[in-house]
Amino acid sequence: GAVVSQHPSRVICKSGTSVKIECRSLDFQATTMFWYRQFPKKSLMLMATSNEGSKATYEQGVEKDKFLINHASLTLSTLTVTSAHPEDSSFYICSASLSGSDEQFFGPGTRLTVL
Amino acid sequence: AQSVAQPEDQVNVAEGNPLTVKCTYSVSGNPYLFWYVQYPNRGLQFLLKYITGDNLVKGSYGFEAEFNKSQTSFHLKKPSALVSDSALYFCAVRDARGTPLVFGKGTRLSVIA
Repeated sequence: GAVVSQHPSRVICKSGTSVKIECRSLDFQATTMFWYRQFPKKSLMLMATSNEGSKATYEQGVEKDKFLINHASLTLSTLTVTSAHPEDSSFYICSASLSGSDEQFFGPGTRLTVL
Repeated sequence: AQSVAQPEDQVNVAEGNPLTVKCTYSVSGNPYLFWYVQYPNRGLQFLLKYITGDNLVKGSYGFEAEFNKSQTSFHLKKPSALVSDSALYFCAVRDARGTPLVFGKGTRLSVIA
């Protein structure tokens, strides 16, 4: 089946620094990638949808200047948390889908801790 | 806009007993329905989906779900629970291809030996 990887799996950073999380589709070309955020014991909240070669579409309430998303190729999307603060600490999960596909394939997630 | 409701935060079941995790949905048009399972500090693993066809869908690890259009439900079931089934289960819906999934809040399943 389709495999999506995320790197890093865990990251700890100081407040004010920026962190980049990579999401890769390993064995298929993903025309669309999604970024979710999951709070402890909560559901996944969609942050943004990114299509290869175009600007990401952010959900209401998500700061696009804080959460920079780049989808430069059909196999890679990156999420950069800029000037991270402790409240940005969360579990970030990406998913990828093929054009016309009804299924999303999820990465293993990245645990971000901002001190 | 589509939405998903998982009315139970927690479901407890004895090992060997049947289990049900409930899910109801709201969409305009035909629903595409999914169940995912999440283990601690892990991403989501796909269990099964309903797009069209038979209302009873069989998925991974012996799980199945029944699509009920009149009740707008898509409950997850397994005839005999295992301790290893203990995890967080998410129901999700989308209303067209390419649109992002909308997730329920999740139901934590605990299977007790």
